[in-house]
Amino acid sequence: DAKTTQPPSMDCAEGRAANLPCNHSTISGNEYVYWYRQIHSQGPQYIIHGLKNNETNEMASLIITEDRKSSTLILPHATLRDTAVYYCIVRVADDYKLSFGAGTTVTVRA
Amino acid sequence: GAGVSQSPRYKVTKRGQDVALRCDPISGHVSLYWYRQALGQGPEFLTYFNYEAQQDKSGLPNDRFSAERPEGSISTLTIQRTEQRDSAMYRCASSLDRKLFFGSGTQLSVL
Repeated sequence: DAKTTQPPSMDCAEGRAANLPCNHSTISGNEYVYWYRQIHSQGPQYIIHGLKNNETNEMASLIITEDRKSSTLILPHATLRDTAVYYCIVRVADDYKLSFGAGTTVTVRA
Repeated sequence: GAGVSQSPRYKVTKRGQDVALRCDPISGHVSLYWYRQALGQGPEFLTYFNYEAQQDKSGLPNDRFSAERPEGSISTLTIQRTEQRDSAMYRCASSLDRKLFFGSGTQLSVL
């Protein structure tokens, strides 16, 4: 699987949009971009995934650049409960192994 | 069940003992994964199954670690002759449509 690069930490204000960047410059054509988050000591939670097109669900939006070398996860209205470690992962469609990196520790401040 | 269930929630054992960690996946989920997570780090892949077949065990650290899923549902991760370095949170996940759903984990402490 291609490696990803994320900033180790970031802060954002409650009620504002949080934009989480991820670089995956070696991504292959059959690799999807996945985002998970882990709140405190809980198990990781699926957020969203995409291949080429931008995706949106009830939790977040995923913006993937045209060359697919980077992406941004957008939490439209961050709340204190969104404080977590966010993991950006690339994963081959037919390879079900999901490898986590260090992620970005996001702290939402009141 | 409503979610992935793992037991026990906590396990304290003495060095050299064998331990068995259990995972009961979400009903109907074909794929089942095991991860290990040290404090302050991301989950580390250990192994995964499709139905009863172990598809990838490349993450198992050594031959003291093994896993099985004999009937394609409940899975057991076994660690033989435990060592202090095996202490960690062990997490199980099951998958539907490429989305993994994680259990609460088993916190293993080897004294």
